[in-house]
Amino acid sequence: ETGVTQTPRHLVMGMTNKKSLKCEQHLGHNAMYWYKQSAKKPLELMFVYSLEERVENNSVPSRFSPECPNSSHLFLHLHTLQPEDSALYLCASSQSVQTPYEQYFGPGTRLTVT
Amino acid sequence: QQQVKQSPQSLIVQKGGISIINCAYENTAFDYFPWYQQFPGKGPALLIAIRPDVSEKKEGRFTISFNKSAKQFSLHIMDSQPGDSATYFCAASKAGGYQKVTFGTGTKLQVIP
Repeated sequence: ETGVTQTPRHLVMGMTNKKSLKCEQHLGHNAMYWYKQSAKKPLELMFVYSLEERVENNSVPSRFSPECPNSSHLFLHLHTLQPEDSALYLCASSQSVQTPYEQYFGPGTRLTVT
Repeated sequence: QQQVKQSPQSLIVQKGGISIINCAYENTAFDYFPWYQQFPGKGPALLIAIRPDVSEKKEGRFTISFNKSAKQFSLHIMDSQPGDSATYFCAASKAGGYQKVTFGTGTKLQVIP
């Protein structure tokens, strides 16, 4: 595997379910990011991790819970989501948080909340 | 003040034509302006970027033009090809320490044969 991988690619969940999104980067980067991408809106930065420490929590509802066990893996735990949370969730990594513009993105997880 | 405004929302260009996407920003502290290209089913990928100390940067068929006084920058795709059909995002960031990237809303480009 190369670059940034995300699993699953598609996820349908009910509002009472609990699920997790997984991201893995094979680039030796030290910073990892979660973004939400909705149609006709700018990418919304959700969380930023630098060397497994969270450096930004961008006013994200507590029903989204990130976890970064090491610099290569990032998870987004989901519970009691709302229909408006349906979106493409993108993971990205960069060499460091000081070069966020040189991010490498994964293909995303298309989440549908029913 | 953190917004980056992008236009048009969608664009249809004939093969061989020039595609032009425009962006404007308010925050004069921004000093790095990347463009990302996103194909369906893929995440965005860094395409080309410019710093405000130059007015133009060219990489192959892709050119960024930068107007610091007007706080505007644009992406030009010369000799547009069907394979260029994608969504393009402009963005802006500040150097130094941790500074998040502010993205535009995206332009969906379709190049027709």
